[in-house]
Amino acid sequence: EDKVVQSPLSLVVHEGDTVTLNCSYEVTNFRSLLWYKQEKKAPTFLFMLTSSGIEKKSGRLSSILDKKELFSILNITATQTGDSAVYLCAVGPNAGGTSYGKLTFGQGTILTVHP
Amino acid sequence: EAGVAQSPRYKIIEKRQSVAFWCNPISGHATLYWYQQILGQGPKLLIQFQNNGVVDDSQLPKDRFSAERLKGVDSTLKIQPAKLEDSAVYLCASRRSGGASQYFGPGTRLTVL
Repeated sequence: EDKVVQSPLSLVVHEGDTVTLNCSYEVTNFRSLLWYKQEKKAPTFLFMLTSSGIEKKSGRLSSILDKKELFSILNITATQTGDSAVYLCAVGPNAGGTSYGKLTFGQGTILTVHP
Repeated sequence: EAGVAQSPRYKIIEKRQSVAFWCNPISGHATLYWYQQILGQGPKLLIQFQNNGVVDDSQLPKDRFSAERLKGVDSTLKIQPAKLEDSAVYLCASRRSGGASQYFGPGTRLTVL
């Protein structure tokens, strides 16, 4: 059974701090790893990673994947109160077959940023 | 581009009652997913449709849950009868053919009393 584990489960920081969120996985036929940000209800897409060692960056957020060690990290620098959310990591199977596109999610990391 | 639409946003029912949720995916997205997200957990896939066909319903409790996507666009998810443990947010997501990213709707928060 596919498994995705995120750590820490929760994190409380102050504005301006840098945070690192972790995601490790055990899946058959890995294809991609995705990070989502969930505020209130719907998860919103942040990054998709398919290749090891290539950093994806968007503003203060960045993420990298290590396919050998089966993990990914999400970094947020100079945190702001608006970064407070649940950050979800999900992995998808290999292309092909009927399971293409199915995602297995981790339990999420709750990030709280205080002013 | 309009996002994934869901209704209702909130629903409170008593156990053993029935409830139905509706989802309208992003136009042109062939794949539609229903997820159940219990408080404090990540979303869990219930069912995946490709157009109007079911691709994966291995985690759908079929004794009480059912879903359909008759014309390959809108979808409904039904629970009959509901149990207390069904209290959760039900998320609908869609994906275009060839894409890896899923786009989520706002969800329906179900409370079963």
